[in-house]
Amino acid sequence: DVKVTQSSRYLVKRTGEKVFLECVQDMDHENMFWYRQDPGLGLRLIYFSYDVKMKEKGDIPEGYSVSREKKERFSLILESASTNQTSMYLCASSIDRGRLFFGSGTQLSVL
Amino acid sequence: DQQVKQNSPSLSVQEGRISILNCDYTNSMFDYFLWYKKYPAEGPTFLISISSIKDKNEDGRFTVFLNKSAKHLSLHIVPSQPGDSAVYFCAALMEYGNKLVFGAGTILRVKS
Repeated sequence: DVKVTQSSRYLVKRTGEKVFLECVQDMDHENMFWYRQDPGLGLRLIYFSYDVKMKEKGDIPEGYSVSREKKERFSLILESASTNQTSMYLCASSIDRGRLFFGSGTQLSVL
Repeated sequence: DQQVKQNSPSLSVQEGRISILNCDYTNSMFDYFLWYKKYPAEGPTFLISISSIKDKNEDGRFTVFLNKSAKHLSLHIVPSQPGDSAVYFCAALMEYGNKLVFGAGTILRVKS
């Protein structure tokens, strides 16, 4: 069965902290994505990667970076967390056009 | 500027009746459309899709209709069941693209 695992369900961080969100998929998919979900705004793409060490900016990359050193793992980094980065973060992987498999999400609160 | 719009934040339907969720898009370069369903505390899951060369796609109780001239698509659920209560996201993809653009979502409540 397909599985995308996000390391934390809930995280509470302080403003200015460096935050790492980890995501692992076991499907050998080339494409991996990071989205954030906010009420009234739906899912917005932060970054995606179509291969190891490759990354592309999504629609809202400011304040974030990513790392993909291995095919199965895609990390989202908040260099200096701010309160407006409080959100639900969703990782996904895919092999087909648009057919994404999502993790359960990480609810991040920045205080 | 939202390219994919779901103008109804919520919808309430009686069990056994039809649920119709609507979605509008502005970019004529979109050529593939998908619907995702999301339960609380879970990630979205793929539900059904449609290519722009079709105007209808059916999968069991779920049917998606596409009206390209109106840049409108809709998801029909017949009959609706309480387990269908979830947030439904419409999403669109451009030809040769791999970035899905999502709408804001519609909360569906099916009352028993």
